[in-house]
Amino acid sequence: GENVEQHPSTLSVQEGDSAVIKCTYSDSASNYFPWYKQELGKGPQLIIDIRSNVGEKKDQRIAVTLNKTAKHFSLHITETQPEDSAVYFCAASNPSGTYKYIFGTGTRLKVLA
Amino acid sequence: DVKVTQSSRYLVKRTGEKVFLECVQDMDHENMFWYRQDPGLGLRLIYFSYDVKMKEKGDIPEGYSVSREKKERFSLILESASTNQTSMYLCASSVRQGPSYNEQFFGPGTRLTVL
Repeated sequence: GENVEQHPSTLSVQEGDSAVIKCTYSDSASNYFPWYKQELGKGPQLIIDIRSNVGEKKDQRIAVTLNKTAKHFSLHITETQPEDSAVYFCAASNPSGTYKYIFGTGTRLKVLA
Repeated sequence: DVKVTQSSRYLVKRTGEKVFLECVQDMDHENMFWYRQDPGLGLRLIYFSYDVKMKEKGDIPEGYSVSREKKERFSLILESASTNQTSMYLCASSVRQGPSYNEQFFGPGTRLTVL
């Protein structure tokens, strides 16, 4: 069935360094790839997304890249800050009309001060 | 401001009890979703609904049912709770069309413990 693999499961970086989280999807019909951030005690919140007609998208310190041929996409966070510490989820969605996401298993990012 | 609320943040129930988890959104969204979140497994879709009185099974519907009598409310029902249903339950909603039709908005979650 449809699947999204996410790596690494945990990531520790020093404040100011960059963090990269990678996801691979199986359904070649997927055309929308959001990234969600979940802080402690809260529900996930969308931080950036990319559609299949775009290779890269940037919003201040965060960026997402998409390689449709290889079926993988990545989240890049530069100049990390302690408030970036959270669990990050990638997801993939296809235009079948069901509005469903397939989520990755999550990455716990710790930014060390 | 977009808002999805869930009836309880924490819930403790006993094995065999019937459990209702309620979710309400105030954004007039057509689509609503129930997920469960477990460590190492990410978010898994239980059921979703794209209209009032409509429902579709997700990836792990066994042991659950849902009800959507009004557009703003989507209820998850555990007919006979079991210990393996101890989890964090997340509700989400999204619009059916428009420029941001894909974005799902999540509630804060209900942590359910079944003893």
